[in-house]
Amino acid sequence: GQQVMQIPQYQHVQEGEDFTTYCNSSTTLSNIQWYKQRPGGHPVFLIQLVKSGEVKKQKRLTFQFGEAKKNSSLHITATQTTDVGTYFCGGATNKLIFGTGTLLAVQP
Amino acid sequence: KAGVTQTPRYLIKTRGQQVTLSCSPISGHRSVSWYQQTPGQGLQFLFEYFSETQRNKGNFPGRFSGRQFSNSRSEMNVSTLELGDSALYLCASSLSWTGGALGFEAFFGQGTRLTVV
Repeated sequence: GQQVMQIPQYQHVQEGEDFTTYCNSSTTLSNIQWYKQRPGGHPVFLIQLVKSGEVKKQKRLTFQFGEAKKNSSLHITATQTTDVGTYFCGGATNKLIFGTGTLLAVQP
Repeated sequence: KAGVTQTPRYLIKTRGQQVTLSCSPISGHRSVSWYQQTPGQGLQFLFEYFSETQRNKGNFPGRFSGRQFSNSRSEMNVSTLELGDSALYLCASSLSWTGGALGFEAFFGQGTRLTVV
C-alpha cells in the first residue's frame, strides 16, 4: 500500500541555522501537502504542491515537489524559536497519507 | 467561522470496553478523515468519509469503525479496547474528498486523547 517516509525524525538546531526535512512516497502522488504541529497542538496546513518540479516559498520556508512527484522537501532558512514543532508531509493519491513527521527543536 | 470540533477532548477507558468519538466538521465541509497519532508513528490514516460513504480505509483492524451523518458530522467507534489503542485521535475536515488530483486542505480538530488502562 501507499507509504510516505520522512527524514530525519528529529533535528536539533541552533537558532539561525538552516533546516531541511525530506519526504518520500512509495507511489506517485497527485499532490503533496505540508503541515506544522506545534507542541500540544494539532496539525495546521502550510502549503500544497501539485505540479512536477514545483517550488513555492513562504517567507523563510521553501517547499519543493520532485520531478517524479514522489518526493518533496521543506527547507527553513535561518530558523527561529517560533519554528519549533513537528512538520508533516501528506501525500495524496486516493487518500491523504502522512509521513512520520520531523520534530524540529531550536535552541536560542 | 467555527473550526473542527472533537468531543470529548479526553477519555479514559478500561481494556475490553468500547468508545465512540465525535467530530463536527467545518460548516460546508463534506469530507471527514480520521487519524491516529502516537509518538514515533506519526499520523496513521484510519478512514475517510465523504457524503456519508466511506471512501478509503487504512490498515486498522475491524474493531475500528466509523460513520458519517447527513449533516457531515462523523463518529468513530473502537470496540474491545486494547492498551495499544491509547493515542490521540484526530479528525480532519475538507471541502471535498482529499484524494484525487485537486487535493483539498485538511483542517484538523484538537483531537481526543484516549487512554486505555
